[in-house]
Amino acid sequence: EVQLVESGGDLMQPGRSLRLSCTASGFSFGDYAMSWFRQTPGKGLEWVAFIRSKIYGGAPEYAASVKGRFIISRDDFNSIAYLQMNSLQIEDTGIYFCTREIPHGPFDYWGQGTQVTVSS
Amino acid sequence: SYELTQPPSVSVSPGQTASIACSGDKLGGKDAYWYQQKPGQSPVLVIWQYNKRPSGVPERFSAFNSGNTATLTISGTQALDEADYYCQAWDSGTVVFGGGTKLTVL
Repeated sequence: EVQLVESGGDLMQPGRSLRLSCTASGFSFGDYAMSWFRQTPGKGLEWVAFIRSKIYGGAPEYAASVKGRFIISRDDFNSIAYLQMNSLQIEDTGIYFCTREIPHGPFDYWGQGTQVTVSS
Repeated sequence: SYELTQPPSVSVSPGQTASIACSGDKLGGKDAYWYQQKPGQSPVLVIWQYNKRPSGVPERFSAFNSGNTATLTISGTQALDEADYYCQAWDSGTVVFGGGTKLTVL
């Protein structure tokens, strides 16, 4: 059974850093691209970042709103995807979901989400 | 940037057919995906590859995509289908989601 479990969400002050983890099981993690999304009541579902599988070079891509502040990475040996969030802003508040991606297709599995709150 | 537009809400009576539209420029030329999200839960893929249902998704869910509109149809709608529904597509390597439609079964 495919499972994605996010962790690391917390209440943070603006400007601080936070790292989210997504631990995967039930599939060959290294064969898939992994993505992070966030959801807020006002902005709906927003793609944040994805990282290609090593087969496709392992390169990351970022939404304009987080480029230069967030870093996505992966540990294929331990089946974990990370999202390093730097220079947090209030607008980064939301529930962060980790997903498995079918290349240029749908996001077929989602984790349960982890809450990130940025507030002074 | 590419946009997908959905109605904020749709209402349907139990047992009737619900249709949720998603519009975008030349959307019919892309693969449109549909997700269901119930309160407090993560999104669940319900339609992919034009009109395929992942394992476990009931046959009453179907979709059609042509022109500028993709439509999710739920036949014989049940109370448990009440949820938010999102359409999604790719455009120039970018993920695009619609704003979501709240389906109310009353």
